[in-house]
Amino acid sequence: AQTVTQSQPEMSVQEAETVTLSCTYDTSESDYYLFWYKQPPSRQMILVIRQEAYKQQNATENRFSVNFQKAAKSFSLKISDSQLGDAAMYFCAYLIGGSQGNLIFGKGTKLSVKP
Amino acid sequence: DTGVSQDPRHKITKRGQNVTFRCDPISEHNRLYWYRQTLGQGPEFLTYFQNEAQLEKSRLLSDRFSAERPKGSFSTLEIQRTEQGDSAMYLCASSLNWGVSNQPQHFGDGTRLSIL
Repeated sequence: AQTVTQSQPEMSVQEAETVTLSCTYDTSESDYYLFWYKQPPSRQMILVIRQEAYKQQNATENRFSVNFQKAAKSFSLKISDSQLGDAAMYFCAYLIGGSQGNLIFGKGTKLSVKP
Repeated sequence: DTGVSQDPRHKITKRGQNVTFRCDPISEHNRLYWYRQTLGQGPEFLTYFQNEAQLEKSRLLSDRFSAERPKGSFSTLEIQRTEQGDSAMYLCASSLNWGVSNQPQHFGDGTRLSIL
């Protein structure tokens, strides 16, 4: 069975600094996708960044980038130049490739940003 | 693109009552998903539809739960004879998928269910 583990229940970062959120996953599949979703308090979950397992290059989206280590089954999220609006729950999620559809989520990391 | 819409936002009901939630996906999205999220946990998959066909159901979806998507557009999730353990946030998501292409899922605001 596929599992996603986020070992950091809470993290804190100073505004304008960089923080890295950890995620590991377990799978025997070769074709899959990995995602980071952000869920602000009482607000909608939104996609931050996506990585296809077949791509060696790490995905980047503006201040957000990932460190994808396929052999180690690790998928960390780096947030640069942290902003107050980055404060939220961050969920790492896994999706099997092909026609299947359901995401498997970790338990989340609560990120606080200090002014 | 008006986003995924869920109704109601909050539902409070007594144990044993039936409840129904509605989800309106992004209009061109052919896939629709239901997830359940309890406090301090990530969302857990319940079921998903491709158009009007229900393709997969989680073991979490007991026989008290039923989901429909009759015309391949909006979906309803009904819980019969609610129990305390049903208290959670119910999230709906939609995506546009063709063949083996897995496009990102877009989530609604969720319906928070509280069982008294």
